[in-house]
Amino acid sequence: EVHLLESGGGLVQPGGSLRLSCAASGFTFSSYAMSWVRLAPGKGLECVSGITGTGITTYYADSVKGRFTISRDNSKNTLFLQMNSLRADDTAVYYCARDDYANDYWGQGTVVTVSS
Amino acid sequence: DIVMTQSPATLSVSPGERATLSCRASQSFGSDLAWYQQKPGQAPRLLIYGVSTRATGVPARFSGSGSGTEFTLTITSLQPEDFAVYYCQQYNDWPGWTFGQGTKVEIK
Repeated sequence: EVHLLESGGGLVQPGGSLRLSCAASGFTFSSYAMSWVRLAPGKGLECVSGITGTGITTYYADSVKGRFTISRDNSKNTLFLQMNSLRADDTAVYYCARDDYANDYWGQGTVVTVSS
Repeated sequence: DIVMTQSPATLSVSPGERATLSCRASQSFGSDLAWYQQKPGQAPRLLIYGVSTRATGVPARFSGSGSGTEFTLTITSLQPEDFAVYYCQQYNDWPGWTFGQGTKVEIK
Protein backbone atom coordinates (compact mmCIF):
# COMPACT_ATOMS: atom_id res chain seq x y z
CA GLU A 1 0.00 0.00 0.00
CA VAL A 2 1.32 3.43 -0.97
CA HIS A 3 1.92 5.72 1.99
CA LEU A 4 3.26 9.27 2.14
CA LEU A 5 3.94 11.00 5.44
CA GLU A 6 4.97 14.64 5.68
CA SER A 7 6.74 16.24 8.62
CA GLY A 8 8.64 19.39 9.48
CA GLY A 9 5.91 22.00 9.46
CA GLY A 10 5.44 24.55 12.21
CA LEU A 11 5.32 28.19 13.16
CA VAL A 12 8.12 30.37 11.81
CA GLN A 13 8.73 34.10 11.69
CA PRO A 14 8.84 35.98 8.38
CA GLY A 15 12.25 35.56 6.83
CA GLY A 16 12.81 32.25 8.57
CA SER A 17 13.39 28.75 7.21
CA LEU A 18 11.84 25.32 7.45
CA ARG A 19 12.68 21.95 5.94
CA LEU A 20 9.79 19.67 5.10
CA SER A 21 10.20 15.92 4.67
CA CYS A 22 7.99 13.32 3.05
CA ALA A 23 8.63 9.66 3.84
CA ALA A 24 7.37 7.34 1.13
CA SER A 25 6.61 3.62 1.27
CA GLY A 26 4.76 0.95 -0.67
CA PHE A 27 6.19 1.72 -4.11
CA THR A 28 9.51 2.05 -5.94
CA PHE A 29 10.20 5.64 -4.91
CA SER A 30 12.97 6.31 -7.43
CA SER A 31 10.66 5.46 -10.34
CA TYR A 32 8.33 8.37 -9.75
CA ALA A 33 8.46 12.11 -9.99
CA MET A 34 7.12 13.79 -6.87
CA SER A 35 5.59 17.16 -6.12
CA TRP A 36 4.87 19.52 -3.26
CA VAL A 37 1.40 21.04 -3.44
CA ARG A 38 0.06 23.59 -0.99
CA LEU A 39 -3.36 24.78 0.11
CA ALA A 40 -3.32 28.27 1.55
CA PRO A 41 -6.23 29.63 3.62
CA GLY A 42 -9.05 30.71 1.33
CA LYS A 43 -7.13 29.65 -1.76
CA GLY A 44 -6.98 26.67 -4.09
CA LEU A 45 -4.37 23.99 -4.64
CA GLU A 46 -1.01 25.16 -5.98
CA CYS A 47 1.86 22.96 -7.14
CA VAL A 48 4.91 24.78 -5.79
CA SER A 49 7.66 22.34 -6.71
CA GLY A 50 8.37 19.04 -8.43
CA ILE A 51 11.30 16.70 -9.02
CA THR A 52 11.92 13.80 -11.37
CA GLY A 53 12.63 10.30 -10.09
CA THR A 54 16.36 10.68 -10.59
CA GLY A 55 16.39 14.12 -8.98
CA ILE A 56 18.04 15.65 -12.02
CA THR A 57 15.16 17.89 -13.10
CA THR A 58 13.28 20.19 -10.78
CA TYR A 59 10.41 22.65 -11.09
CA TYR A 60 9.40 25.67 -9.06
CA ALA A 61 6.37 27.91 -9.24
CA ASP A 62 7.20 31.56 -9.74
CA SER A 63 5.85 32.26 -6.25
CA VAL A 64 8.65 30.26 -4.60
CA LYS A 65 11.47 30.36 -7.16
CA GLY A 66 14.78 31.32 -5.58
CA ARG A 67 13.49 30.66 -2.04
CA PHE A 68 12.51 26.97 -2.01
CA THR A 69 14.66 23.97 -2.94
CA ILE A 70 13.30 20.51 -3.62
CA SER A 71 15.46 17.42 -3.28
CA ARG A 72 15.15 13.70 -2.67
CA ASP A 73 17.12 10.84 -1.16
CA ASN A 74 16.16 7.72 -3.08
CA SER A 75 18.22 5.53 -0.73
CA LYS A 76 15.93 6.63 2.11
CA ASN A 77 12.70 7.00 0.10
CA THR A 78 12.37 10.58 1.26
CA LEU A 79 11.41 13.84 -0.43
CA PHE A 80 12.43 17.22 0.95
CA LEU A 81 11.47 20.86 0.57
CA GLN A 82 13.87 23.45 1.96
CA MET A 83 11.97 26.70 2.43
CA ASN A 84 13.95 29.89 3.02
CA SER A 85 12.97 33.57 3.26
CA LEU A 86 9.48 32.56 4.25
CA ARG A 87 6.69 35.08 3.88
CA ALA A 88 3.21 35.36 5.34
CA ASP A 89 1.70 34.23 2.05
CA ASP A 90 3.60 30.92 2.30
CA THR A 91 1.26 29.98 5.16
CA ALA A 92 -0.48 26.81 4.01
CA VAL A 93 -0.88 23.09 4.37
CA TYR A 94 1.89 21.47 2.36
CA TYR A 95 1.25 18.08 0.77
CA CYS A 96 3.63 15.77 -0.98
CA ALA A 97 2.11 13.88 -3.87
CA ARG A 98 3.19 11.18 -6.27
CA ASP A 99 3.20 12.14 -9.92
CA ASP A 100 1.88 9.43 -12.21
CA TYR A 101 -1.43 9.70 -14.04
CA ALA A 102 -2.08 12.95 -12.25
CA ASN A 103 -1.25 13.09 -8.52
CA ASP A 104 -2.53 9.66 -7.62
CA TYR A 105 -1.37 9.51 -3.99
CA TRP A 106 -1.12 12.26 -1.39
CA GLY A 107 0.17 12.58 2.13
CA GLN A 108 -1.97 14.02 4.89
CA GLY A 109 -0.11 17.31 4.86
CA THR A 110 1.96 19.39 7.24
CA VAL A 111 0.97 22.88 8.35
CA VAL A 112 3.33 25.81 7.83
CA THR A 113 2.44 29.08 9.53
CA VAL A 114 4.53 32.17 8.86
CA SER A 115 3.78 34.85 11.42
CA SER A 116 5.51 37.14 13.85
CA ASP B 1 1.29 27.81 -18.18
CA ILE B 2 -2.14 26.42 -18.93
CA VAL B 3 -4.75 28.27 -16.85
CA MET B 4 -7.68 26.20 -15.58
CA THR B 5 -10.92 28.03 -14.75
CA GLN B 6 -13.71 26.31 -12.84
CA SER B 7 -17.34 27.32 -12.57
CA PRO B 8 -19.32 27.94 -10.56
CA ALA B 9 -17.30 28.84 -7.47
CA THR B 10 -20.07 27.46 -5.27
CA LEU B 11 -22.84 25.03 -6.19
CA SER B 12 -25.79 24.53 -3.85
CA VAL B 13 -27.43 21.16 -4.36
CA SER B 14 -29.94 19.09 -2.42
CA PRO B 15 -29.02 15.50 -1.45
CA GLY B 16 -30.14 13.10 -4.17
CA GLU B 17 -29.87 15.70 -6.93
CA ARG B 18 -27.32 15.92 -9.75
CA ALA B 19 -24.33 18.27 -9.67
CA THR B 20 -22.53 19.45 -12.79
CA LEU B 21 -19.15 21.13 -12.40
CA SER B 22 -17.30 22.82 -15.26
CA CYS B 23 -13.63 23.32 -16.00
CA ARG B 24 -12.21 25.33 -18.88
CA ALA B 25 -8.59 25.35 -20.05
CA SER B 26 -6.79 28.31 -21.60
CA GLN B 27 -5.52 26.02 -24.35
CA SER B 28 -6.11 22.51 -25.56
CA PHE B 29 -3.84 19.79 -24.12
CA GLY B 30 -5.35 16.44 -24.99
CA SER B 31 -6.88 14.15 -22.36
CA ASP B 32 -4.59 14.69 -19.36
CA LEU B 33 -7.37 16.06 -17.18
CA ALA B 34 -8.06 14.99 -13.60
CA TRP B 35 -10.61 15.78 -10.92
CA TYR B 36 -10.00 15.74 -7.16
CA GLN B 37 -12.26 15.89 -4.13
CA GLN B 38 -11.09 17.60 -0.97
CA LYS B 39 -12.89 17.68 2.36
CA PRO B 40 -11.91 19.97 5.26
CA GLY B 41 -8.84 18.71 7.07
CA GLN B 42 -8.20 15.97 4.53
CA ALA B 43 -5.81 15.51 1.63
CA PRO B 44 -7.14 15.77 -1.91
CA ARG B 45 -8.43 12.50 -3.32
CA LEU B 46 -8.03 11.63 -6.98
CA LEU B 47 -11.47 10.90 -8.47
CA ILE B 48 -11.03 10.98 -12.22
CA TYR B 49 -8.05 10.92 -14.57
CA GLY B 50 -7.73 10.85 -18.33
CA VAL B 51 -10.92 12.97 -18.52
CA SER B 52 -13.24 10.07 -17.74
CA THR B 53 -11.48 7.16 -15.96
CA ARG B 54 -12.52 6.70 -12.35
CA ALA B 55 -9.71 6.08 -9.87
CA THR B 56 -9.76 2.92 -7.78
CA GLY B 57 -12.68 2.81 -5.38
CA VAL B 58 -14.51 5.84 -6.76
CA PRO B 59 -18.27 5.28 -6.96
CA ALA B 60 -19.95 5.14 -10.35
CA ARG B 61 -22.05 8.23 -9.54
CA PHE B 62 -18.93 10.27 -10.38
CA SER B 63 -18.29 10.70 -14.09
CA GLY B 64 -16.06 12.92 -16.19
CA SER B 65 -16.42 14.09 -19.75
CA GLY B 66 -15.24 16.69 -22.22
CA SER B 67 -12.57 17.44 -24.75
CA GLY B 68 -10.51 20.27 -26.15
CA THR B 69 -10.75 23.01 -23.55
CA GLU B 70 -14.11 22.19 -21.91
CA PHE B 71 -14.49 19.49 -19.26
CA THR B 72 -17.25 18.43 -16.88
CA LEU B 73 -17.53 16.46 -13.66
CA THR B 74 -21.00 15.09 -13.00
CA ILE B 75 -22.12 13.67 -9.70
CA THR B 76 -25.48 11.94 -9.96
CA SER B 77 -27.64 11.56 -6.86
CA LEU B 78 -25.45 13.47 -4.41
CA GLN B 79 -24.73 11.66 -1.17
CA PRO B 80 -24.00 13.42 2.16
CA GLU B 81 -20.32 12.48 1.87
CA ASP B 82 -20.05 14.20 -1.54
CA PHE B 83 -20.28 17.73 -0.18
CA ALA B 84 -16.76 19.00 -0.59
CA VAL B 85 -14.50 21.12 -2.78
CA TYR B 86 -13.66 19.76 -6.22
CA TYR B 87 -10.62 20.70 -8.28
CA CYS B 88 -9.77 20.04 -11.90
CA GLN B 89 -6.13 19.70 -12.96
CA GLN B 90 -4.29 19.45 -16.23
CA TYR B 91 -1.30 17.13 -16.03
CA ASN B 92 -0.02 17.38 -19.56
CA ASP B 93 3.72 17.93 -19.95
CA TRP B 94 5.38 17.58 -16.54
CA PRO B 95 6.28 19.82 -14.75
CA GLY B 96 3.95 22.61 -13.84
CA TRP B 97 0.65 20.79 -13.65
CA THR B 98 -2.02 23.37 -12.86
CA PHE B 99 -5.24 23.27 -10.88
CA GLY B 100 -8.46 25.16 -11.20
CA GLN B 101 -9.49 27.36 -8.30
CA GLY B 102 -12.06 24.85 -7.08
CA THR B 103 -15.83 24.47 -6.87
CA LYS B 104 -17.44 24.07 -3.48
CA VAL B 105 -20.46 21.78 -3.52
CA GLU B 106 -22.64 22.69 -0.55
CA ILE B 107 -25.94 21.46 0.81
CA LYS B 108 -28.92 23.43 -0.41
